[in-house]
Amino acid sequence: ETGVTQSPTHLIKTRGQQVTLRCSSQSGHNTVSWYQQALGQGPQFIFQYYREEENGRGNFPPRFSGLQFPNYSSELNVNALELDDSALYLCASSNKQGGETQYFGPGTRLLVL
Amino acid sequence: GDSVTQMEGPVTLSEEAFLTINCTYTATGYPSLFWYVQYPGEGLQLLLKATKADDKGSNKGFEATYRKETTSFHLEKGSVQVSDSAVYFCALTSSNSGYALNFGKGTSLLVTP
Repeated sequence: ETGVTQSPTHLIKTRGQQVTLRCSSQSGHNTVSWYQQALGQGPQFIFQYYREEENGRGNFPPRFSGLQFPNYSSELNVNALELDDSALYLCASSNKQGGETQYFGPGTRLLVL
Repeated sequence: GDSVTQMEGPVTLSEEAFLTINCTYTATGYPSLFWYVQYPGEGLQLLLKATKADDKGSNKGFEATYRKETTSFHLEKGSVQVSDSAVYFCALTSSNSGYALNFGKGTSLLVTP
């Protein structure tokens, strides 16, 4: 069974640029959630996708957007990058909407200069 | 809204010492409770979980009991090893949060030989 994978592992961008992060969910999982983890902090929920639709969103501005594809993989897009967007971005998958354990990928570390 | 409060670290213990990391929560309804562990430079790994009151989650020598009367989910291990050095996160999901994980700030554990 393949676990959750994310790409790239590391990324450096400059302020104002746009970035796309990718996540492949664990086999059999149809729900993907994205989290932002700033240095020394707990992860913060960005949004969740279930069957290709956004299924909940945390306190993040609209420049954070996402997609889920028919194979349940997902993308996180961030426009107009700010210095505070520097963080570890974590993707988690689970096997149905709500109530199921989320399994995390290794994360993408984004540095915005 | 829902929230999780963990004891602040860092916690430093000698090998074979007893570990307790306190976690309390505030939630409406009936949350599920989790402990995740994050090793340096890695993503989050599920350590254990409990989905209803009085359930005990256990894994790799770690245990935590869901106490509804005290709204707590303290993590314990009888004899820690150097390899247990990591950051530990307490988290909950609930129907109120749309099943997004709500994390505490994390507790850093360092085990010395």
